[in-house]
Amino acid sequence: DGGITQSPKYLFRKEGQNVTLSCEQNLNHDAMYWYRQDPGQGLRLIYYSQIVNDFQKGDIAEGYSVSREKKESFPLTVTSAQKNPTAFYLCASGTSGGADTQYFGPGTRLTVL
Amino acid sequence: GENVEQHPSTLSVQEGDSAVIKCTYSDSASNYFPWYKQELGKRPQLIIDIRSNVGEKKDQRIAVTLNKTAKHFSLHITETQPEDSAVYFCAGYLQKLVFGQGTRLTINP
Repeated sequence: DGGITQSPKYLFRKEGQNVTLSCEQNLNHDAMYWYRQDPGQGLRLIYYSQIVNDFQKGDIAEGYSVSREKKESFPLTVTSAQKNPTAFYLCASGTSGGADTQYFGPGTRLTVL
Repeated sequence: GENVEQHPSTLSVQEGDSAVIKCTYSDSASNYFPWYKQELGKRPQLIIDIRSNVGEKKDQRIAVTLNKTAKHFSLHITETQPEDSAVYFCAGYLQKLVFGQGTRLTINP
């Protein structure tokens, strides 16, 4: 899982601002995922992409947007429409199309000021 | 869609004892069940997984069992050590991974 990087590690946002979280992988994985983790809770799927130029909403997509222009990159934008964005955001990648191991990045902790 | 329930939410055991965490899933078509370990402030890391055509899998002190009829799977850690203290997540796969709520395992010396 050292092949997945996320930046920044910590991010502070003022209310009303959009912010973009970076996720890059060099594992040659087709699939990439974004999860949100709140204290004491499990991981909830925001968006996922099985192939370049295609992505699907997960369980909590409202207030978020993504793009997948390159296989290696899957940035997540937290928009001002997301009312409670303070959380730990985890990016993951894996082989496409099936049940297989997902490898996680180190995460970005977003705090709204 | 798939729903995964995990129990208990917290577990405390004496060093050297065994720990068991259980998960149940709702959709019998789910076919892949990984377990992740997450230390405080760090990324989840896969520790073991099992597919629906297998009933049990072991890796040193860690084992996972799957009962498809009852739709539950369990993580077993034997001879627990202080470094086993972490939050453990189970997940079930049906088109996407659905995670349980996590179990905070504490190993008491």
